[in-house]
Amino acid sequence: NAGVTQTPKFQVLKTGQSMTLQCAQDMNHNSMYWYRQDPGMGLRLIYYSASEGTTDKGEVPNGYNVSRLNKREFSLRLESAAPSQTSVYFCASGPWGGVVYSPLHFGNGTRLTVT
Amino acid sequence: QKEVEQDPGPLSVPEGAIVSLNCTYSNSAFQYFMWYRQYSRKGPELLMYTYSSGNKEDGRFTAQVDKSSKYISLFIRDSQPSDSATYLCAMTDTGNQFYFGTGTSLTVIP
Repeated sequence: NAGVTQTPKFQVLKTGQSMTLQCAQDMNHNSMYWYRQDPGMGLRLIYYSASEGTTDKGEVPNGYNVSRLNKREFSLRLESAAPSQTSVYFCASGPWGGVVYSPLHFGNGTRLTVT
Repeated sequence: QKEVEQDPGPLSVPEGAIVSLNCTYSNSAFQYFMWYRQYSRKGPELLMYTYSSGNKEDGRFTAQVDKSSKYISLFIRDSQPSDSATYLCAMTDTGNQFYFGTGTSLTVIP
């Protein structure tokens, strides 16, 4: 049982290049999230998907797009990378609302450097 | 004002010490409270979670919530070098949107 799997683990991009970060979960969770983590800033929500077919902006969505491909997979795309997007990106998943509460489960992150 | 405030530390203690980690929050609607542990170059892993006010104990770890003061704590007894990590508090009202502290870096010295 892998939980939340993110690929790639590391990536270096030049300014203006594009890339897609992949995330897959095998816990049958409805909701999935993309966060970025920067020193002193904590985890900041980029986008989330409450269920298959829906996506919503979080706190810092500018410069990113997302796709909820199916219930398992949620990808994050940088169309034109900027140095300000150098960060560690975490994907998380969890049930959405309902009677039974459950915390989020995280992947191990993608470390992205934009030069 | 941030929804959740957490002292970033760093905190350095000798092995065997009792560690106290704390967060304050501003939204009185929060009712689920979590502590995550994050080792270097890893994702946050859930350590404990509690509902509403009160204490919850799990081995050497105790989570405490005081909703009247909007204050949560994590206590680590008999701290070990393997406890060296960053600890993140998190909270939510509905279980849909989660709010995180910035994390406290802890080092336990053998």
